[in-house]
Amino acid sequence: QSALTQPASVSGSPGQSITISCTGTSSDVGGYNYVSWYQQHPGKAPKLMIYEVSNRPSGVSNRFSGSKTGNTASLTISGLQAEDEADYHCTSYTTSNTLVFGGGTKLTVL
Amino acid sequence: EVQLLESGGGLVQPGGSLRLSCAASGFTFSSYAMIWVRQPPGKGLEWVSGITTGGGTTYYADSVKGRLTISRDNSKNTLYLQMNSLRAEDTAVYYCAKPRTTGSSAWRYYGMDVWGQGTTVTVSS
Repeated sequence: QSALTQPASVSGSPGQSITISCTGTSSDVGGYNYVSWYQQHPGKAPKLMIYEVSNRPSGVSNRFSGSKTGNTASLTISGLQAEDEADYHCTSYTTSNTLVFGGGTKLTVL
Repeated sequence: EVQLLESGGGLVQPGGSLRLSCAASGFTFSSYAMIWVRQPPGKGLEWVSGITTGGGTTYYADSVKGRLTISRDNSKNTLYLQMNSLRAEDTAVYYCAKPRTTGSSAWRYYGMDVWGQGTTVTVSS
């Protein structure tokens, strides 16, 4: 199972919006609405930000939103804040009864 | 407070073995499927293994199949990862994680809302 494809890095200024893409295949992202996104600060454990493509867990800011078109899922962060600077990882369920992660994207808030 | 606490990591030679533990507290452990995820130094996350609520069914990434074994003891609220025939590429921080909802299939679908702090495994001579 190949890893999902994410950009290595994205950046934006405070207040702006950014979008991180996560591209898979019809055997994972495109085949199921079971995409999750995690935020990870350096040296810390991942934190769930989005589940089932577009749902936010309780306590996660509504500045975070998720969507999917075909084999590509996206995470959008609006109104960028300094605290959003972190690594972001997508994951999807697959037809092989496994989970597959993306390579991770480093978000820099300029 | 819902909590997961990993232990058992360390330095091991190639070909060696190690057993990781994940102690759960603050929730009904036996109602939740569980998974292990690892993160090599400077790299992204990799799903390693999953196990159903009763432990009767297990799932593995191809990269670890036949060498790593997931298990659980619901009477002790503990998840395990037995690691045999270790290779340099197994070097990583290993996390255990709990899905958002109960049920044996939940680990596949609904996202992991609680993670441990991680335990580091280094495979080197």
